[in-house]
Amino acid sequence: DIQMTQSPSSLSAYVGDRVTITCRASQRISTYLNWYQQKPGKAPKLLIYAASTLQSGVPSRFSGSGSGTDFTLTISSLQPEDFATYSCQQSYTAITFGGGTKVAIK
Amino acid sequence: EVQLVESGGGLVQPGGSLRLSCAASGFTFSSFWMSWVRQAPGKGLEWVANINQDESERVYVDSLKGRFTISRDNAKNSLYLQLNRLRAEDTAVYYCARLRDSSGCLLFDFWGRGTLVTVSS
Repeated sequence: DIQMTQSPSSLSAYVGDRVTITCRASQRISTYLNWYQQKPGKAPKLLIYAASTLQSGVPSRFSGSGSGTDFTLTISSLQPEDFATYSCQQSYTAITFGGGTKVAIK
Repeated sequence: EVQLVESGGGLVQPGGSLRLSCAASGFTFSSFWMSWVRQAPGKGLEWVANINQDESERVYVDSLKGRFTISRDNAKNSLYLQLNRLRAEDTAVYYCARLRDSSGCLLFDFWGRGTLVTVSS
């Protein structure tokens, strides 16, 4: 199985901060990497797919990059509604998710 | 508006069974692969199973093969997950999700809010 490791597991930041979350795959996965946002009690939401393509309706402050084994999700200017947990997911072989990164208010 | 609404969760004893349902609306259900994803308390998301449009292809995570069965009824716009021989470690919120393929990259573009399954005596 391909293991997906996210870092950090949690972070705290101010509104307006630039935030970067990293996802590392245990083997090369090309760009078969997606990012999701999850808030308590709500349905998870797709943000980025194929490493860097913004899902329709997602604000442009979200961006994704990377290929091979190392990927990043960047929020250019953190907004109050962005405090949530973010997870990466690969589909190169089967489907596996990272452990999640909780973004909290500082 | 795409909507996915799960139901059927609850408290079940170890070794018991449960059938989860997902009611879909706002899109042509019969045209899409569908999936189940679960999340144990305090843990990350875990993919469970996929099913294609006519049930001719079903794919499961290796660790669950033989205990869980995914199915669908296109006439009822519904997705199902039969959970058998349940264990405490199956305790989780179970999400229904629509699966899409973007040039080989499989992604879940819409999700429900989930239904909680608790396995305990």
